[in-house]
Amino acid sequence: AQSVTQPDIHITVSEGASLELRCNYSYGATPYLFWYVQSPGQGLQLLLKYFSGDTLVQGIKGFEAEFKRSQSSFNLRKPSVHWSDAAEYFCAVGGFSGGYNKLIFGAGTRLAVHP
Amino acid sequence: DTAVSQTPKYLVTQMGNDKSIKCEQNLGHDTMYWYKQDSKKFLKIMFSYNNKELIINETVPNRFSPKSPDKAHLNLHINSLELGDSAVYFCASSTIGTGTGHEAFFGQGTRLTVV
Repeated sequence: AQSVTQPDIHITVSEGASLELRCNYSYGATPYLFWYVQSPGQGLQLLLKYFSGDTLVQGIKGFEAEFKRSQSSFNLRKPSVHWSDAAEYFCAVGGFSGGYNKLIFGAGTRLAVHP
Repeated sequence: DTAVSQTPKYLVTQMGNDKSIKCEQNLGHDTMYWYKQDSKKFLKIMFSYNNKELIINETVPNRFSPKSPDKAHLNLHINSLELGDSAVYFCASSTIGTGTGHEAFFGQGTRLTVV
């Protein structure tokens, strides 16, 4: 069965520190992987996606993620966190249900940023 | 220019009532979705429509009835509301489908509170 695991429910970092949010997936074929961010009271915004090619993908707001097939991982990174990055982050895989497409989300990681 | 818009943003209603949430997208996408986000922030797909045709129904109670009058609109009608229906409902759209690597664009969400 297709699934996404985000092991860290809550992470706190200091402003200016580096960040890595973990994501592991279970999927039988080549996955399509996404990271979304949800700011408080807002909808979901796509940060970046991977579906083929270079395994290191760049996204918006200075984020990047690396696809590692051997580890079934797609971790999100940012070299220097800003206070405005405090939000909920969701990893998702684009999967199939009965031949049709849907997003399967992880449980999310809440990021808090200390000044 | 809002890409995916939902109305209302907030909805407070009593148990047993019937309510509707509307969604419109101006992106020209052919696939639309309803996702439910529970109190623990977990996101799960409820329905998906492709060109007005229902293609995914993820074991949602039949009190929930989506309707797609055209491919730019997907409404969600809920009968006999229950306390457990309280959640944030997100509409989304994509072209073709997220299983093919295409990102889904999300609305701002509708926070439904049943009292």
